[in-house]
Amino acid sequence: GIQVEQSPPDLILQEGANSTLRCNFSDSVNNLQWFHQNPWGQLINLFYIPSGTKQNGRLSATTVATERYSLLYISSSQTTDSGVYFCAVINTGTASKLTFGTGTRLQVTL
Amino acid sequence: NAGVMQNPRHLVRRRGQEARLRCSPMKGHSHVYWYRQLPEEGLKFMVYLQKENIIDESGMPKERFSAEFPKEGPSILRIQQVVRGDSAAYFCASSGPRSTEAFFGQGTRLTVV
Repeated sequence: GIQVEQSPPDLILQEGANSTLRCNFSDSVNNLQWFHQNPWGQLINLFYIPSGTKQNGRLSATTVATERYSLLYISSSQTTDSGVYFCAVINTGTASKLTFGTGTRLQVTL
Repeated sequence: NAGVMQNPRHLVRRRGQEARLRCSPMKGHSHVYWYRQLPEEGLKFMVYLQKENIIDESGMPKERFSAEFPKEGPSILRIQQVVRGDSAAYFCASSGPRSTEAFFGQGTRLTVV
């Protein structure tokens, strides 16, 4: 099956700093989503981005499907950004199931 | 504008009992997925259902686990004769007919004692 790798696995930032999270995948995809799992366990949709670039406030994402990677940018980080960020993909030709990466655990400190 | 609704949020079962987890998809969504998350791990696909049909159950354990999405009512994930290793967070997601974008419920945290 498709492999999804995220880096870095852990990240500690001071409030106000910027960061880039990466997601590499091993095969072609027709869906890529970024999620934030907050400290209470809730999964929040950040981006649905099988290709191209999107921005939402302090967050933006870029997917280069031909090179099999996606990037999530967090600018001016806040303590509420803490949690785990997951990338998930649907492998082209499979029946819509998402394969999740291992996640990046982000801690934003004051 | 209700999202994906799961209940209960927390469920405690003794070993050998049955656990029933419920999921109501977002309005207009006909595709339902169940995922399991063990502590400190990512989510793993279990099963994909449409109304009255199981589309892909390649992630379901062969025994004790079953899922359904009846014509009326929520989708149900049933775990029979639970064991300690079943303790996990179980998430349900739904998507609509025109997009594969999935939206997740808040999860059910199952603890087997």
